[in-house]
Amino acid sequence: QSVLTQPPSASGTPGQGVTISCSGSGSNIGRNTVNWYHQLPGTAPKLLIYTNNQRPSGVPDRFSGSKSGTSASLAISGLQSEDGADYYCASWDDTLNGPVFGGGTKLTVL
Amino acid sequence: EVQLVESGGDLVQPGGSLRVSCSASGFNFRTSAMHWVRQAPGKRLEYVSGINYNGVETRYADSVKGRFSISKDNSKNMLHLQMNALTSEDTALYYCVKDLGVAGLTYIFHYWGPGTLVTVSS
Repeated sequence: QSVLTQPPSASGTPGQGVTISCSGSGSNIGRNTVNWYHQLPGTAPKLLIYTNNQRPSGVPDRFSGSKSGTSASLAISGLQSEDGADYYCASWDDTLNGPVFGGGTKLTVL
Repeated sequence: EVQLVESGGDLVQPGGSLRVSCSASGFNFRTSAMHWVRQAPGKRLEYVSGINYNGVETRYADSVKGRFSISKDNSKNMLHLQMNALTSEDTALYYCVKDLGVAGLTYIFHYWGPGTLVTVSS
């Protein structure tokens, strides 16, 4: 059971927008920043969003992150077929004294 | 271009030991903090261990503490993970990861290698 809870799946059609949620608690998201990673099938994860809403160089602005209280969200606008991937949220957990990942959300672009 | 290439993954018996390594290039390895993150087949990502730029600061997940040891050879741009007393629970793809920050551990996993597979089975 993951400390950070994500829906197992999400879907959308090309051009649509989709939001993936990440629910935590006061010991992790409530006190610390959130990062998001995506993982295409058979490949290594890539950093998508860090420190709640910052995009690394090269990540399109179709991807945005937000945090409120003990939850965080990743929003993807203008879905493209290549966005189909697994998405993971991550944060620091003060109780576990280490970084924790969500269980992942598999995004399907229909 | 940042490149991280893991090696050393293998099939090992329960109770055995293995060292996996990561060759880094394309960035200043000497001033970079590094991590190991693993992923069991079909499972979520799990943090394993991290080390700051000069090796003075290290961190381990509770699940590997006392069994795994991380080290960094700045003269060879190599990161290592020595794994002892392996169990089936350690079976996973082990990723070498570069921290986003400079020198210290920010736990923002910036660049990932393709991974090396460790299988623990009799």
